[in-house]
Amino acid sequence: GEDVEQSLFLSVREGDSSVINCTYTDSSSTYLYWYKQEPGAGLQLLTYIFSNMDMKQDQRLTVLLNKKDKHLSLRIADTQTGDSAIYFCAESAAGNTGKLIFGQGTTLQVKP
Amino acid sequence: DAEITQSPRHKITETGRQVTLACHQTWNHNNMFWYRQDLGHGLRLIHYSYGVHDTNKGEVSDGYSVSRSNTEDLPLTLESAASSQTSVYFCASSEVGRNEQFFGPGTRLTVL
Repeated sequence: GEDVEQSLFLSVREGDSSVINCTYTDSSSTYLYWYKQEPGAGLQLLTYIFSNMDMKQDQRLTVLLNKKDKHLSLRIADTQTGDSAIYFCAESAAGNTGKLIFGQGTTLQVKP
Repeated sequence: DAEITQSPRHKITETGRQVTLACHQTWNHNNMFWYRQDLGHGLRLIHYSYGVHDTNKGEVSDGYSVSRSNTEDLPLTLESAASSQTSVYFCASSEVGRNEQFFGPGTRLTVL
């Protein structure tokens, strides 16, 4: 079945780069997503990548997709304390159902 | 501005009681989803709907029901609340043919 895996925790120093990794199982996923959840809030779409792309850059965010290894990563450059949050990776479910399959979420802690 | 709201934001109830969580969106999206978020499990899909009078079971639907009488609302009902249903519940919506989901702020439910 479809499954998305993420490491649970990452700690970095302010100003460093953060790299959050994700693996997925469904090779037919059309889109892959990164959501951010701040404490006490809902999930906010950060960025997404179409499955025929290798990389997408959006200001401080860089998404890398390795389709062969089914590996997705989110790099945050110059990480700030405001980036502290839970980051969820998600893949679109098979069959154009509109459903998303979410990973467990990675808690990013940014130390000053 | 279009938005998605949930109410109540916090609820404490007792085992065996019926509870209804409200979700209202003004995006005019046909697709609506209910998730629960628990530590170590990420987001798990409870029920979803593709339009008025359409409802479908997700991966953790036991003990929950939904109804869709209009486009804007998808209330989630716990027929007889159990302690295992203590969780944070998120509602989301998306356009037909699009996978990006927009999330509400969540409802924290405690069942004593």
